[in-house]
Amino acid sequence: DTAVSQTPKYLVTQMGNDKSIKCEQNLGHDTMYWYKQDSKKFLKIMFSYNNKELIINETVPNRFSPKSPDKAHLNLHINSLELGDSAVYFCASSQTGLLAKFFGPGTRLTVL
Amino acid sequence: KNQVEQSPQSLIILEGKNCTLQCNYTVSPFSNLRWYKQDTGRGPVSLTIMTFSENTKSNGRYTATLDADTKQSSLHITASQLSDSASYICVVFFDNNAGNMLTFGGGTRLMVKP
Repeated sequence: DTAVSQTPKYLVTQMGNDKSIKCEQNLGHDTMYWYKQDSKKFLKIMFSYNNKELIINETVPNRFSPKSPDKAHLNLHINSLELGDSAVYFCASSQTGLLAKFFGPGTRLTVL
Repeated sequence: KNQVEQSPQSLIILEGKNCTLQCNYTVSPFSNLRWYKQDTGRGPVSLTIMTFSENTKSNGRYTATLDADTKQSSLHITASQLSDSASYICVVFFDNNAGNMLTFGGGTRLMVKP
């Protein structure tokens, strides 16, 4: 069984569109995260939620809006997509703390 | 400037050999450090987490060390296998006046050849 799952795996879209990436974890963890991995493979944390509450919001454009309907889900909605948004986005979870332990398989976003 | 530096950037070794990856950080005050393994096209997998009081920790053929005085950590891989080919990422968690922070290193790309 997949511990952290995210959909879709691939997402190709045009500039200006709005898209969402969904994430679910079945580990019972309290904390979920979104990370962005750029073309140089650098991983950067974007958001962290603990029990549905935002605890980290790094310098991310407000076009990115995370939503946590319950502690098992953390979805990422992106408005007005730009070319620079092209990257792999990873969802992750851990029981506590700010270092994710389990990562999802990633969503490769390509903005044309 | 990235406050977590990893070296080497890439490394090629023969199967069965040992290797050591380095992670130096300048952030403070240090809280903990984690090593991740990331296979191509996959999400990172946590290997070890090191707190301030821990000097060494093993996970199978992986052994991580931490010297909090010199702000250095290493990941030693023993008897490498082809499946060890991946990127290894060092992440440092620290707490400053701005709140809890974490910084990622750029990773070391390891290739194990038969």
